[in-house]
Amino acid sequence: DGGITQSPKYLFRKEGQNVTLSCEQNLNHDAMYWYRQDPGQGLRLIYYSQIVNDFQKGDIAEGYSVSREKKESFPLTVTSAQKNPTAFYLCASSVGGYLEAFFGQGTRLTVV
Amino acid sequence: AQSVSQHNHHVILSEAASLELGCNYSYGGTVNLFWYVQYPGQHLQLLLKYFSGDPLVKGIKGFEAEFIKSKFSFNLRKPSVQWSDTAEYFCAVRETDSWGKLQFGAGTQVVVTP
Repeated sequence: DGGITQSPKYLFRKEGQNVTLSCEQNLNHDAMYWYRQDPGQGLRLIYYSQIVNDFQKGDIAEGYSVSREKKESFPLTVTSAQKNPTAFYLCASSVGGYLEAFFGQGTRLTVV
Repeated sequence: AQSVSQHNHHVILSEAASLELGCNYSYGGTVNLFWYVQYPGQHLQLLLKYFSGDPLVKGIKGFEAEFIKSKFSFNLRKPSVQWSDTAEYFCAVRETDSWGKLQFGAGTQVVVTP
C-alpha cells in the first residue's frame, strides 16, 4: 500500500534529550512536510522540503532540525532547545507544493 | 501574516441534522482551499479542495463547500450527518504564490449523537 509511515506512534523522552521522529513515504512525492498539532491550535508548519537535499523553515522551526538525504525520507529531530516539545507531530507529502498534502498517522511525543 | 479562522471549536448535533462549519481566511490574493477531516484514531484525510472554477465543491461522504471570494470564506456543509461523521474538521488555505505552505485553522470538533 502506498502511503506515509511515521514511527513510532508514541514516544517518551526525558527533558534535555534530543529525539528523532521518522517519516517515510512510498508515494514518490517530491515535497514533504512536518507539522505540529496542539489542541485548539490546529496544525503549524515546522519544516518543509521541496526536493532532496533542500529544506526550508516553516512557522515554528526553532528547536527542530531536519534532513532530506533521500526522496522517501524526512526525519525530524526535536532538540533540547525546543521549549515545549510535548505534542502530536504529523508528517505529510505532496506531489508538488501546490497540490493537496497526504498525512501520516502521527507520532505523539511526550517529554517528561 | 495570513490566518485561517474556524468559527466554532466544538459542535454537537443529532443524527440527520444539517452541518455547516465556517472558515474564513485573511489573505487577499489567489488561494487554494481545503477541508481535512481527522476521525478518532485515524490520520488526517482530505475531504475536498478548491483550486478554481465552480465555487461549489463536492467532496467525499456527502460533504460540500462553497467558496465565496468576496467574503474570504470556504464553509463546509453536509445536509444530514451520521454518527460516523464524528471527527475533527480542519480548514486549510494555501496562497498560490506560497509554495507548500498550508495554513490550517484551529479545527472544529464535531460530535454527532445517535
